[in-house]
Amino acid sequence: NAGVTQTPKFQVLKTGQSMTLQCAQDMNHNSMYWYRQDPGMGLRLIYYSASEGTTDKGEVPNGYNVSRLNKREFSLRLESAAPSQTSVYFCASSVQGGGNSPLHFGNGTRLTVT
Amino acid sequence: GENVEQHPSTLSVQEGDSAVIKCTYSDSASNYFPWYKQELGKGPQLIIDIRSNVGEKKDQRIAVTLNKTAKHFSLHITETQPEDSAVYFCAASEGTSGTYKYIFGTGTRLKVLA
Repeated sequence: NAGVTQTPKFQVLKTGQSMTLQCAQDMNHNSMYWYRQDPGMGLRLIYYSASEGTTDKGEVPNGYNVSRLNKREFSLRLESAAPSQTSVYFCASSVQGGGNSPLHFGNGTRLTVT
Repeated sequence: GENVEQHPSTLSVQEGDSAVIKCTYSDSASNYFPWYKQELGKGPQLIIDIRSNVGEKKDQRIAVTLNKTAKHFSLHITETQPEDSAVYFCAASEGTSGTYKYIFGTGTRLKVLA
């Protein structure tokens, strides 16, 4: 089992460029999440998908879109990157939502926007 | 919504000593409290969790205590070893039924000095 796999590991974008961060899990989990991690701010939820076919906004959704492609895959898209989106992005999954089952994280995508 | 505060932000201990990290939360309806360890360049990994119907839980050198009245929970690591050096995050589930969110603390960087 690979767990949660994120691609790419590193990315540098210029302001205004777009890109999609990919995430896939092989644990048959129902819920998937995208977080960003910034120094001194912990992990903040961008979007989540409680189950296949549904997505909802988290704490910091502005500037992002998501797609739950199927049960395994959950992608995060930056349509027009801004320097404020420089961060480390983590995808996570859990058996179920409701805040009662642990999150399993990928190893992150380190994004720099210049 | 839920707010989680974590202290201290950095902690240095001698190898073999104990380390304690404390978190407070604001939503009395929160019922699940996981702790994550994050090593450099990796995603957070669950190390222990506790549910609101339990006051204490142990797993070898790691323990978590929960005081629901005071709305705080703590991570205790005994007999610390150099490999315990990492960033530790606490989290609390949002209490509203049907929500799928965890709110994370801002992290504690633990250094175990040999």
